[in-house]
Amino acid sequence: GAVVSQHPSRVICKSGTSVKIECRSLDFQATTMFWYRQFPKQSLMLMATSNEGSKATYEQGVEKDKFLINHASLTLSTLTVTSAHPEDSSFYICSASGVNLRNEQFFGPGTRLTVL
Amino acid sequence: SQQGEEDPQALSIQEGENATMNCSYKTSINNLQWYRQNSGRGLVHLILIRSNEREKHSGRLRVTLDTSKKSSSLLITASRAADTASYFCAGNTNAGKSTFGDGTTLTVKP
Repeated sequence: GAVVSQHPSRVICKSGTSVKIECRSLDFQATTMFWYRQFPKQSLMLMATSNEGSKATYEQGVEKDKFLINHASLTLSTLTVTSAHPEDSSFYICSASGVNLRNEQFFGPGTRLTVL
Repeated sequence: SQQGEEDPQALSIQEGENATMNCSYKTSINNLQWYRQNSGRGLVHLILIRSNEREKHSGRLRVTLDTSKKSSSLLITASRAADTASYFCAGNTNAGKSTFGDGTTLTVKP
């Protein structure tokens, strides 16, 4: 149980375009989802926390207008990288926690974004 | 800023040896998790230790937690070449937020 999927697993786009990444909890209701970014050879940096039905809380230094997060249902959160630039190229990972999961987080497999 | 700091940053050992990685954190946590990540891949959850636990075992893994020192260690016994990966600790607060350490890159030479 407690499986989280991400789609797409890999995306290449041109500079200036927007990219949407989906994060789904497959077998539990995710009351909270987290989005992380990981640059090569670095650790994961938390970008934002989203609770179902409310606005996301962004970490300091993360532009909310650039990284749009929507958590419209208990099984789906989306991250949209708007007007992507090469410096946005990174590995984006989501995680989810839910009711009765004792604050444990379950991570998706990640999405590799490359902006040309 | 990252809550956790890990040392060593890189560790290279021979197959069969034990590998020990340490992690320190700054704020109070509800639990601490260790993850493994192969290059360019997602995270694999290894083990979770709660704040009221001091030691936990899972197969060849042994994790300790010292809340007074705000530190944790991960021991991999009888290492194998397939254990080569990056290892991260992540402290979870009561709010459910995880803060990751910088990670240790482990290389196990056959």
